[in-house]
Amino acid sequence: DAKTTQPTSMDCAEGRAANLPCNHSTISGNEYVYWYRQIHSQGPQYIIHGLKNNETNEMASLIITEDRKSSTLILPHATLRDTAVYYCIVSPTVRGYQKVTFGTGTKLQVIP
Amino acid sequence: DAGVTQSPTHLIKTRGQQVTLRCSPKSGHDTVSWYQQALGQGPQFIFQYYEEEERQRGNFPDRFSGHQFPNYSSELNVNALLLGDSALYLCASSQGTGGASYGYTFGSGTRLTVV
Repeated sequence: DAKTTQPTSMDCAEGRAANLPCNHSTISGNEYVYWYRQIHSQGPQYIIHGLKNNETNEMASLIITEDRKSSTLILPHATLRDTAVYYCIVSPTVRGYQKVTFGTGTKLQVIP
Repeated sequence: DAGVTQSPTHLIKTRGQQVTLRCSPKSGHDTVSWYQQALGQGPQFIFQYYEEEERQRGNFPDRFSGHQFPNYSSELNVNALLLGDSALYLCASSQGTGGASYGYTFGSGTRLTVV
């Protein structure tokens, strides 16, 4: 599986956009980019995923560079409830099953 | 629509004992994965079950075993518990069939303390 590199921690002012970067320079052609977050003492929560095109849902936007070697998760208007550890993961798609390996993630602190 | 349900939420065991953790996947999901999360660390993949078979396994010893039942629920068994097995154990379910990946739904976990 491809490895990812994320900053250990980031701060963001409440109401501003939070931009969380992720490097995945060894990503393979069949690997998706996934983002999850984990709020303290809870299980990780799926946010968004993409293959090569930019994606948007009700929670966030995912921007993947053209060479697919890096991506950015954007929380458009961060709130205090967005304070969490954010994990960027690359994972192959295999019919019937997939393997998701977590790294250490980015601890995002949203500041009032 | 119930999400992933794990039981128990907390338990305390003594070194050398055996423990069984249980997981009911989200409705419509047929694949279950188990993770171990030590304090301050990211979740570590233990294994994954699909169609009642272990499909993938992480770097965990044979003391860690599992089972998936016909209703897609799953159990994680850990034998000969060590102090280092103290962690949050997470179950994640997903829809394994189909060509696209739809992400995992995680339960809230079981906090295991080995004393």
